[in-house]
Amino acid sequence: LAKTTQPISMDSYEGQEVNITCSHNNIATNDYITWYQQFPSQGPRFIIQGYKTKVTNEVASLFIPADRKSSTLSLPRVSLSDTAVYYCLVGDQAGNNRKLIWGLGTSLAVNP
Amino acid sequence: GAVVSQHPSWVICKSGTSVKIECRSLDFQATTMFWYRQFPKQSLMLMATSNEGSKATYEQGVEKDKFLINHASLTLSTLTVTSAHPEDSSFYICSAISETQYFGPGTRLLVL
Repeated sequence: LAKTTQPISMDSYEGQEVNITCSHNNIATNDYITWYQQFPSQGPRFIIQGYKTKVTNEVASLFIPADRKSSTLSLPRVSLSDTAVYYCLVGDQAGNNRKLIWGLGTSLAVNP
Repeated sequence: GAVVSQHPSWVICKSGTSVKIECRSLDFQATTMFWYRQFPKQSLMLMATSNEGSKATYEQGVEKDKFLINHASLTLSTLTVTSAHPEDSSFYICSAISETQYFGPGTRLLVL
């Protein structure tokens, strides 16, 4: 089972770029990397998913080095509403649950 | 992205009663849905995998007779907490797969 390691918490200010790095040393060849955002008392919300190199969508970018042993979620110009817990998971593209281990995530606090 | 709904969003019940939580995929069909439980300040823990037309698969330590799962159609899975006790109070979240895993908004259960 692929395990991920992320910082427990991060602090930032409005308008800054935030980069959250996740390590996944034993990622399997067919594993994808998926990031979720969770607000208190809400279900996780899909942010972005990638396999290698760089993926960008309207809310974030995901950078994955060639060895795929880590990945970095980049949130451009964060606002107060980005304060949440961010989870990094590895598994097959559909998020096969039996390969997903939910850690504590990274609690991001965005300050004014 | 795909939308998953849950009903009710919160429920309070007396100890010993049963509570049913519904999970629906609104704009896609899901042969597989997942049920999670999340305690305060903790991460998501997979309880069971709900398969349309067949029995659910429960994770180790989850009592199948206490947490009854029914996946009667491609858009609906239900979780029934039978004879609920205060220790069952938690945040229950379902998810379904449409390319990747999408989560419902969660159901807060409080057992008095």
